[in-house]
Amino acid sequence: ETGVTQSPTHLIKTRGQQVTLRCSSQSGHNTVSWYQQALGQGPQFIFQYYREEENGRGNFPPRFSGLQFPNYSSELNVNALELDDSALYLCASSLGRRRSSYEQYFGPGTRLTVT
Amino acid sequence: AQRVTQPEKLLSVFKGAPVELKCNYSYSGSPELFWYVQYSRQRLQLLLRHISRESIKGFTADLNKGETSFHLKKPFAQEEDSAMYYCALSGSGNTGKLIFGQGTTLQVKP
Repeated sequence: ETGVTQSPTHLIKTRGQQVTLRCSSQSGHNTVSWYQQALGQGPQFIFQYYREEENGRGNFPPRFSGLQFPNYSSELNVNALELDDSALYLCASSLGRRRSSYEQYFGPGTRLTVT
Repeated sequence: AQRVTQPEKLLSVFKGAPVELKCNYSYSGSPELFWYVQYSRQRLQLLLRHISRESIKGFTADLNKGETSFHLKKPFAQEEDSAMYYCALSGSGNTGKLIFGQGTTLQVKP
């Protein structure tokens, strides 16, 4: 059984550019959640995907978008990057979308720096 | 508003001393509360959840709905407990959205 993996590990982009971050969920998991963690803060929920459909979204603008593929891997896309988008982006997978039944397993994160 | 507050950024104790990491929450329904831990150079992982009522690595946490708190406790701290601890809340509904506090760094000195 493999754990959650994310790529790339680190990324440097310029303001205004677009970025795609990738996440492979743990084997057998059909739900992926994305979080943004700014320096010194706790993770903030961006959105969740369940069986390829968006299933809940946090307080993030539409330039944050995502996809989930049939193999349940996922992408996070951010358009028109701003300096405040610099953060650690975490992906978490779980067996299902309901809160109480399924533990979320986190990946190591992608560190995005916007200059 | 749904919110989790961890009032201490850093808690420093000596080995063998009791530990209490504070967590207060704001939520109008029936929340589910969790403690997540991140050891140095490791990924975020679940430590315990209130519905399980279990003790993990000697840590326990009791949900106090009257005080809206979910403090994490351990009677005797060990050096290997040094880590960042996050309290998190999950609301009702069909999403496992987690709302995290800012985290508390626990430093256990020898």
